Amino acid sequence: NAGVMQNPRHLVRRRGQEARLRCSPMKGHSHVYWYRQLPEEGLKFMVYLQKENIIDESGMPKERFSAEFPKEGPSILRIQQVVRGDSAAYFCASSPPWERDINEQFFGPGTRLTVL
Amino acid sequence: AQKITQTQPGMFVQEKEAVTLDCTYDTSDQSYGLFWYKQPSSGEMIFLIYQGSYDEQNATEGRYSLNFQKARKSANLVISASQLGDSAMYFCAMRDELLYNNNDMRFGAGTRLTVKP
Repeated sequence: NAGVMQNPRHLVRRRGQEARLRCSPMKGHSHVYWYRQLPEEGLKFMVYLQKENIIDESGMPKERFSAEFPKEGPSILRIQQVVRGDSAAYFCASSPPWERDINEQFFGPGTRLTVL
Repeated sequence: AQKITQTQPGMFVQEKEAVTLDCTYDTSDQSYGLFWYKQPSSGEMIFLIYQGSYDEQNATEGRYSLNFQKARKSANLVISASQLGDSAMYFCAMRDELLYNNNDMRFGAGTRLTVKP
């Protein structure tokens, strides 16, 4: 059973470009979470999604950031018109449905975004 | 709102000795989970240990144990017999565990542990 997969692992963008980060949850997991980690800081929650639904996006910046988790395919975190302050590591985590253990949350390896 | 505090930005420990990493939390939730993650220099987040708020016994996983003091709202991580490979950032995290509630995690700022040979 493969773990949470994220790609790309490293992404470099120039200011104004778009960044698309992908996350494939573990098999059988229907809940996906995105976190951002600035250098030398802890992870900050951004958004929580289930298939085709955004459950909680209270941690998402109001502009330029969006997330989706379609019925088929990976979850996508999209950052439009990137700025230098978007440079960070973006982690995805997944957990199984409610009827199973809810204390499991598995993290992917992260995508390191660098904005030039 | 939940808040996680790790007051030690950095810690040093001699190889083979035990070390305690502090974590305090603030929540009004009745049911919650406490987690510790390790982040080595390679960047991945490695799950270490979990403690449920209703668990009466302190969690243990190999060399890791969680000193859970619910009344004091602390969840310190104890690493016994430190190894050089334990050098990393350590994050304490917390999550509300009411069913059907949002179960995103809140993380502390982290503690950088350095194990000296």
